[in-house]
Amino acid sequence: EAQVTQNPRYLITVTGKKLTVTCSQNMNHEYMSWYRQDPGLGLRQIYYSMNVEVTDKGDVPEGYKVSRKEKRNFPLILESPSPNQTSLYFCASSSWGAGTDTQYFGPGTRLTVL
Amino acid sequence: SQQGEEDPQALSIQEGENATMNCSYKTSINNLQWYRQNSGRGLVHLILIRSNEREKHSGRLRVTLDTSKKSSSLLITASRAADTASYFCATGPMDSNYQLIWGAGTKLIIKP
Repeated sequence: EAQVTQNPRYLITVTGKKLTVTCSQNMNHEYMSWYRQDPGLGLRQIYYSMNVEVTDKGDVPEGYKVSRKEKRNFPLILESPSPNQTSLYFCASSSWGAGTDTQYFGPGTRLTVL
Repeated sequence: SQQGEEDPQALSIQEGENATMNCSYKTSINNLQWYRQNSGRGLVHLILIRSNEREKHSGRLRVTLDTSKKSSSLLITASRAADTASYFCATGPMDSNYQLIWGAGTKLIIKP
């Protein structure tokens, strides 16, 4: 089954404790992206990747890191999480860029930073 | 940056009625996409309409695009309780193939 998976689905952590949210897709998609969703704000893009080893900042990259060492995986790293990073996070992938192609979304990761 | 604005922010209708949601945006686009999100879950793609298209259908969904007014509408006909969800429009700007600009969504409630 074609899908985007994220882990963990729920995470409660404390300020400053490094964490990684994993994202994997099995559709051989070139493009992957991370979003955060906050009430009343829609989705805001954090980072995206056009291919292996090619990443770029979205609208809200501060406090986040990403890497794309393999085509199927695109982990999101919070090196020193802060309470303002409490949010619902989505990973997405597509054959081509988000601006031209249907996005396939993961189920989301609900992160709480205390 | 947010470009799309959905209207209304919330809509409550009886099952069987039609639901119309509107989206306005600010800059030139390659395409406009509509997504559905059930409460707190992942987003599901509904329709992509390209800038040179005016109308598109998929089952009970009808999407129109008016590039001169920079607006789009999503019509759901014969609504069902399962249509209860939030609906988002997202635009692919002309100057970037790699980003989608999202609106804040319309929350649709279908009353049985």
